[in-house]
Amino acid sequence: SQQGEEDPQALSIQEGENATMNCSYKTSINNLQWYRQNSGRGLVHLILIRSNEREKHSGRLRVTLDTSKKSSSLLITASRAADTASYFCATVPSDSGGSNYKLTFGKGTLLTVNP
Amino acid sequence: DTAVSQTPKYLVTQMGNDKSIKCEQNLGHDTMYWYKQDSKKFLKIMFSYNNKELIINETVPNRFSPKSPDKAHLNLHINSLELGDSAVYFCASSPDLRHPQYFGPGTRLTVL
Repeated sequence: SQQGEEDPQALSIQEGENATMNCSYKTSINNLQWYRQNSGRGLVHLILIRSNEREKHSGRLRVTLDTSKKSSSLLITASRAADTASYFCATVPSDSGGSNYKLTFGKGTLLTVNP
Repeated sequence: DTAVSQTPKYLVTQMGNDKSIKCEQNLGHDTMYWYKQDSKKFLKIMFSYNNKELIINETVPNRFSPKSPDKAHLNLHINSLELGDSAVYFCASSPDLRHPQYFGPGTRLTVL
């Protein structure tokens, strides 16, 4: 069953603006990961945040995690046209391990940054 | 150097045919995966192998059979293709199941 749900489904902003995407999930997690997918390409890993972490930064990206609300957000600051892509959150569940450690993806947020 | 490569990039075939997609990674990772992404961009795991051993096998028709000749390769064979198999198939690899995954460019399969 689907674990992550991104919100909004689509977001259109102007270059230079900030973009915030949210992800909600259902079960306890080991970690949560954000990926980017450019049109017609494979997914690229952006950031991994562990269940005991609350915030992480990488360049213009900031990810927060609220395990009490089972939600995460991805903030892209000072967006560029090249940031136009679909963004997916994916969770690794915390139960037992072994084959349960599988990534479950949400449906993604399509971000369009207009020049 | 391409980290995770897939061939072919595009595959157009008739219903009922059998086809294979190949995947290779040069990252030295122990774990490899196959995902299916449908027309609505929903990405779902199909299989995962760790050191040539099958560890994840989701509810996938048995017409789909993965094969891992060594830990750098994971191929996907599909028998008796159906219209509903049309999708983009991604191969990925990672050091283990909890670490970030590296994705290939995808194979767009169209079944006519």
